[in-house]
Amino acid sequence: GAVVSQHPSRVICKSGTSVKIECRSLDFQATTMFWYRQFPKQSLMLMATSNEGSKATYEQGVEKDKFLINHASLTLSTLTVTSAHPEDSSFYICSAPGGARYNEQFFGPGTRLTVL
Amino acid sequence: QQQVKQSPQSLIVQKGGISIINCAYENTAFDYFPWYQQFPGKGPALLIAIRPDVSEKKEGRFTISFNKSAKQFSLHIMDSQPGDSATYFCAASMGYGGATNKLIFGTGTLLAVQP
Repeated sequence: GAVVSQHPSRVICKSGTSVKIECRSLDFQATTMFWYRQFPKQSLMLMATSNEGSKATYEQGVEKDKFLINHASLTLSTLTVTSAHPEDSSFYICSAPGGARYNEQFFGPGTRLTVL
Repeated sequence: QQQVKQSPQSLIVQKGGISIINCAYENTAFDYFPWYQQFPGKGPALLIAIRPDVSEKKEGRFTISFNKSAKQFSLHIMDSQPGDSATYFCAASMGYGGATNKLIFGTGTLLAVQP
């Protein structure tokens, strides 16, 4: 199956700093990628749809100025958590549709963000 | 309604037993129903998926049963093994083969298979 990678896998930062998370499709191109956040023992919540070459589409309630998304190439999308605060601590996961069945989503391994 | 309701929240099964997880949806525009398996600290991995034109799909020990009229679908794990212990999420999306592939996830089921 197709592989999606994320970097870093874990990041700890101080409150007020910005953190960038990368999502890469390793063996396929993705014009669309999705960003989710997951709190402990909870489900995945879709934050935004990242579109290559255009603006991201944010889900209701997600602050677009807080969570900046850039999809600069067909294999890379980045999520920047700006001025991070402890409540932003979460598990961030990206996914991309790919493979023979277009609807099949491949998920990255996730990034654990801890804001002190 | 965009929600997908999932039950039970947690499940304990003996090794060799059958694990059954159920999901229900409201939006009849959904046309793709995958199940994902997630281990702690990892991203979800696709387990099996079904489209509404079939009532059942089987892959190895995993079977999806789909009831279109009831708007319900379920995952059956036969001969459950301790290695199956994980969180399972059902999901739904619309626009199969099209550009809109947003997945709506269920709330998850924590499965523990006891040896």
